[in-house]
Amino acid sequence: AAGVIQSPRHLIKEKRETATLKCYPIPRHDTVYWYQQGPGQDPQFLISFYEKMQSDKGSIPDRFSAQQFSDYHSELNMSSLELGDSALYFCASRVAGTSYEQYFGPGTRLTVT
Amino acid sequence: SQQGEEDPQALSIQEGENATMNCSYKTSINNLQWYRQNSGRGLVHLILIRSNEREKHSGRLRVTLDTSKKSSSLLITASRAADTASYFCATDHGTSGSRLTFGEGTQLTVNP
Repeated sequence: AAGVIQSPRHLIKEKRETATLKCYPIPRHDTVYWYQQGPGQDPQFLISFYEKMQSDKGSIPDRFSAQQFSDYHSELNMSSLELGDSALYFCASRVAGTSYEQYFGPGTRLTVT
Repeated sequence: SQQGEEDPQALSIQEGENATMNCSYKTSINNLQWYRQNSGRGLVHLILIRSNEREKHSGRLRVTLDTSKKSSSLLITASRAADTASYFCATDHGTSGSRLTFGEGTQLTVNP
């Protein structure tokens, strides 16, 4: 079965650079979530989209922005990277109104040096 | 974690033993879910229990929910070495978008 695809899987950036993370949800899933997981920590919700509109916003820094495109894929744009942005970034998807279960991608490991 | 604590933080058992992990949360929920994460990899959904349910089973998994105490437990019976992973509870409060709020996780090690 198709799963959530994230790219790239690993990314190394320097401080103050920008990064773009991509997420391709499971086909026909209309809701996408982004989570950030720091080393040894639990995942923290960043932002979500439903039918290409932002549906919820969590503890996402102003330096970050995200959007969902017409083909339902989503991108998380991160600017002025800081060392503390080093983390695993997960995308998850679901079909709103059918199940509360979220399907997670393998994550993008971002390292800021 | 903003809400949701798990205990124990680490659990080491022998194959064949049962493993119990507990989770607490602070605000009312729509449902509570348990996820598994192998080291540095994606989260895999294990089981979901709705706020009006008290117990649920799936294979070797048993989940209980006590909304009066705002707590849940995950029991893995007859554990296997392949069960070694981190286990997180996640609460869905039914707000717009149904974000998940994760607990701090329990690192389970099952020794062969």
